[in-house]
Amino acid sequence: AQSVTQLDSQVPVFEEAPVELRCNYSSSVSVYLFWYVQYPNQGLQLLLKYLSGSTLVESINGFEAEFNKSQTSFHLRKPSVHISDTAEYFCAVSGTGANNLFFGTGTRLTVIP
Amino acid sequence: NAGVMQNPRHLVRRRGQEARLRCSPMKGHSHVYWYRQLPEEGLKFMVYLQKENIIDESGMPKERFSAEFPKEGPSILRIQQVVRGDSAAYFCASSEERTEAFFGQGTRLTVV
Repeated sequence: AQSVTQLDSQVPVFEEAPVELRCNYSSSVSVYLFWYVQYPNQGLQLLLKYLSGSTLVESINGFEAEFNKSQTSFHLRKPSVHISDTAEYFCAVSGTGANNLFFGTGTRLTVIP
Repeated sequence: NAGVMQNPRHLVRRRGQEARLRCSPMKGHSHVYWYRQLPEEGLKFMVYLQKENIIDESGMPKERFSAEFPKEGPSILRIQQVVRGDSAAYFCASSEERTEAFFGQGTRLTVV
């Protein structure tokens, strides 16, 4: 089985500052990794994913995440955050041989003007 | 191609009543997942279904909760004899074989 740990439940950061949201996973098999974003009162939207290939993946709105197999991590980063990035961010993992997705408890990113 | 459709968006039930939550997956998707999000908590996996089959229900409470995904029609999450602790947002997601899951807008259940 797979599991995900997001150590930071809340991360406040000033506008235009960099941010890192941490995600660690555990799995006995190879994994796919995902970051989802949830804006208030909405469903989850896929932000980016790692399936194979390059360990650094990027989203269209400036976020990136790096798969680090030795540290079992998939931290999400953005060099300069915007007010509109305020949301809940969820890291998720699935085994490559299965479809099931397991989520972390989420990190609430609050961007302060 | 419409996204994952969940209805109703908001549902109010009195204690002891039944709640039925519906999820229509994206066209072509045969995998459906249900998650529950309690206030101030993350998403908790409940059940994973393919057409007419329950693949993994390890996150489903043992009593009062059931789910189905019939050959025709939406997936249904059914909660019998609801209690206040069932109040939460319930999210459905769908996917094709081994691809990312797409989420619906959720159903917010309030038990009064």
